[in-house]
Amino acid sequence: QVQLVQSGSELKKPGASVRVSCEASGYTLSRHSINWVRQVPGQGLEWMGWIDTNTGTPTYARDFTGRFVFSLGTSVNTAYLQINSLKVDDTAVYYCARDLAIGRLDTWGQGTLVTVSS
Amino acid sequence: QSALTQPASVSGSLGQSITISCTGTSSDVGSYKYISWYQHHPGKAPRLMIYEVSDRPSGVSDRFSGSKSGNTASLTISGLQAEDEADYYCNSFTSSGTLVFGGGTKLTVL
Repeated sequence: QVQLVQSGSELKKPGASVRVSCEASGYTLSRHSINWVRQVPGQGLEWMGWIDTNTGTPTYARDFTGRFVFSLGTSVNTAYLQINSLKVDDTAVYYCARDLAIGRLDTWGQGTLVTVSS
Repeated sequence: QSALTQPASVSGSLGQSITISCTGTSSDVGSYKYISWYQHHPGKAPRLMIYEVSDRPSGVSDRFSGSKSGNTASLTISGLQAEDEADYYCNSFTSSGTLVFGGGTKLTVL
């Protein structure tokens, strides 16, 4: 059974960093890219970008350049989202999703709530 | 890349049909077949309902259908059921090589 399991909720202070993990099971991570999607409370889904799980090459949406970093685990079937210099406005649920083909996000993680508050 | 334009809300009665539109530009919806639709119940993970304009993943009811004309894609749900009440998002590939979501549509089943 194909699954993406994300790490648990995080509470961080402004200026800190957070890393969200997305572990794939039931398939090999390198076969399909992983996309990251954000949902700010009360707002819609925002596409953050994707990582080529073969090469490790990330592509970021315009609004997610600079502080956001997509990466892959060295020895496990896991992708990561790191957010640096956290701001209160980064408070959101972050999802990872497998892309079977272009924009065909067929399997999603359960979401990770990141709360940024002083 | 600006979000695709969807109506904020639509409603329909049990058993009726509704259509949700998704308007983009010639740089996204109008130029590619890579249009997908997602159903999102609050607190759950989004679910892929339609991909490549009109294809349904295995397990998705044939009450859900998709189409496209020019710069506008559409999702039609026929025979509305109570469990269809959710938020729906369209998504398109863009000429920049990125994806973009619509603003989302809240479907209320009366």
